[in-house]
Amino acid sequence: DIQMTQSPSSLSASVGDRVTITCRASQGIDYYLAWYQQKPGKVPNLLIYAASILQSGVPSRFSGSGSGTDFTLTISSLQPEDVATYFCQNYHSAPFTFGPGTKVDLK
Amino acid sequence: EVQLLESGGGLVQPGESLRLSCAASGFAFSSFAMNWVRQAPGKGLAWVSALTGSGSRTYYADSVKGRFTISRDNSENTLYLQMNSLRAEDTAIYYCAKGRGSGTYYMDVWGKGTTVTVSS
Repeated sequence: DIQMTQSPSSLSASVGDRVTITCRASQGIDYYLAWYQQKPGKVPNLLIYAASILQSGVPSRFSGSGSGTDFTLTISSLQPEDVATYFCQNYHSAPFTFGPGTKVDLK
Repeated sequence: EVQLLESGGGLVQPGESLRLSCAASGFAFSSFAMNWVRQAPGKGLAWVSALTGSGSRTYYADSVKGRFTISRDNSENTLYLQMNSLRAEDTAIYYCAKGRGSGTYYMDVWGKGTTVTVSS
């Protein structure tokens, strides 16, 4: 089974900062990676799929990159409404595992 | 509007069974893969199970294989999760989530979830 890891597990940043989250797959998954945002007490929301394609309606400050085993999610200018936990997900092959999450809050 | 509405959660004792339902509306249900994802209190997301649009292929996390069964009724636009031999570690919010295509397993629409508590 493919294992997903994320780093860091949490971070604090200031409004306007550039934030980068890393996701690593235990084996190659091509570009079959999605990113989700879950705000406190809310349902998860799809941000990015196919490693780099922005879901409709997601602000352009979010971007994704990578392929194979190493992926990144970048928030170019952190906003207060971006406080959330971010999860990556492998959808290359079952089990379609999620990473453990990265909690982002404001400094 | 695309909507998913889960039901069937509740409090059960270890070893008991429960069946979750997810009523879908606003899209061509049979054309899309569907997933169950759970989230234990204070924990991250855990993918549980998925099936293709036709229901012909099913997938399970190792932690539920042999105990849970996913199915769908495309005539009723409803997804199910039959959960048997429940354990305390199955306690979680269970989300129903729509895949992007018939055999695509990232999730673009999520329900609000139904809570399952397994406790004696």
